[in-house]
Amino acid sequence: EPEVTQTPSHQVTQMGQEVILRCVPISNHLYFYWYRQILGQKVEFLVSFYNNEISEKSEIFDDQFSVERPDGSNFTLKIRSTKLEDSAMYFCASSERTGGNIQYFGAGTRLSVL
Amino acid sequence: EDQVTQSPEALRLQEGESSSLNCSYTVSGLRGLFWYRQDPGKGPEFLFTLYSAGEEKEKERLKATLTKKESFLHITAPKPEDSATYLCAVQAAPRGYNKLIFGAGTRLAVHP
Repeated sequence: EPEVTQTPSHQVTQMGQEVILRCVPISNHLYFYWYRQILGQKVEFLVSFYNNEISEKSEIFDDQFSVERPDGSNFTLKIRSTKLEDSAMYFCASSERTGGNIQYFGAGTRLSVL
Repeated sequence: EDQVTQSPEALRLQEGESSSLNCSYTVSGLRGLFWYRQDPGKGPEFLFTLYSAGEEKEKERLKATLTKKESFLHITAPKPEDSATYLCAVQAAPRGYNKLIFGAGTRLAVHP
């Protein structure tokens, strides 16, 4: 069964460092998303991406964050200068279409900022 | 503001003891309501999507229903392997039609 793949499963970094989280969405999907979940809190939307551009972003997704689809299979989330409060699980998701279509999630990357 | 509230926060059941989880929502226009299962340290796993009031979906011991204000996830004769956090999420229209707005989840523990 097709699945969303995320790497690494756990990333430890020092405050102020740049990190790149990687995702391989399901191959025939056109819409890509990043969400995060701080320990013990709700899953929160960060950004959606379609046709090589951001289609929607939340207030959390400030100038420190960027997304990219560098090739036909990968989708990345970059955090330029990490802060302690960026520590969370980051989930990538993909869907065939928008608006009511099912989003399938990866297993997540646990980001620990020290 | 679009909002999703789930209750109870936590639920402990004996194996075979049926129960229901609640998800109440306030959105400008519902494009879809989604139920996911999340195991510790894992990503949300899709269970059901519902689009209009009166709709019902069923899978093994789980049944999801939808009204204009809330959704229920009914668990019939649960087994220990049903233990997980169950997440409800909505997609709203026309604003934010892509993003899923999640509730805080219900942590279900089923004991033998």
